[in-house]
Amino acid sequence: DAGVIQSPRHEVTEMGQEVTLRCKPISGHDYLFWYRQTMMRGLELLIYFNNNVPIDDSGMPEDRFSAKMPNASFSTLKIQPSEPRDSAVYFCASSWVGGGNTIYFGEGSWLTVV
Amino acid sequence: AQSVTQLDSHVSVSEGTPVLLRCNYSSSYSPSLFWYVQHPNKGLQLLLKYTSAATLVKGINGFEAEFKKSETSFHLTKPSAHMSDAAEYFCVVSDGSNKLTFGGGTRVLVKP
Repeated sequence: DAGVIQSPRHEVTEMGQEVTLRCKPISGHDYLFWYRQTMMRGLELLIYFNNNVPIDDSGMPEDRFSAKMPNASFSTLKIQPSEPRDSAVYFCASSWVGGGNTIYFGEGSWLTVV
Repeated sequence: AQSVTQLDSHVSVSEGTPVLLRCNYSSSYSPSLFWYVQHPNKGLQLLLKYTSAATLVKGINGFEAEFKKSETSFHLTKPSAHMSDAAEYFCVVSDGSNKLTFGGGTRVLVKP
């Protein structure tokens, strides 16, 4: 199995620019999660989807952040406009209802906003 | 509500000696508990999980963890540390939903 695939792995962008992070979950998984990891706050759940429907977006920091899941094999996390404080590692993860709550993580997207 | 406390932010061990990473949790439900490992510049990899079966859980790379309900603990151990074990380790609790609560992480340093 290919695992959870994220792109880009690294991105450096200027403040004010739009950033789009992409994720392909493991085939057959019906839950998809976006996490953010920073030194100060550790791992935070931003949003998660079940069967492509957003279930809980209470972790999305503000309106500059949005996430979509147009189909079962693709999701995006968009930041517009980006700010330096958005610099973090963004992880996508997926799981399936019969998987005993085990969540599988991608390798992460390292975002630096300058 | 659920929470996880990893009692040590850093642990330093010598290669070949035992490793102990401590984790306490609180949960209103019968929890599922996990340990994940994150190597530098990598994603999180599942080491092991407890889901109300045997209280001693064996994972990958020689790690194991013991669920102790009376102590609300789920400590991770390995009898003999290897240089490749240098990483950050996360204790995680789930209340049965797919929302996980992560501990703050324990960074392990292995000295030659």
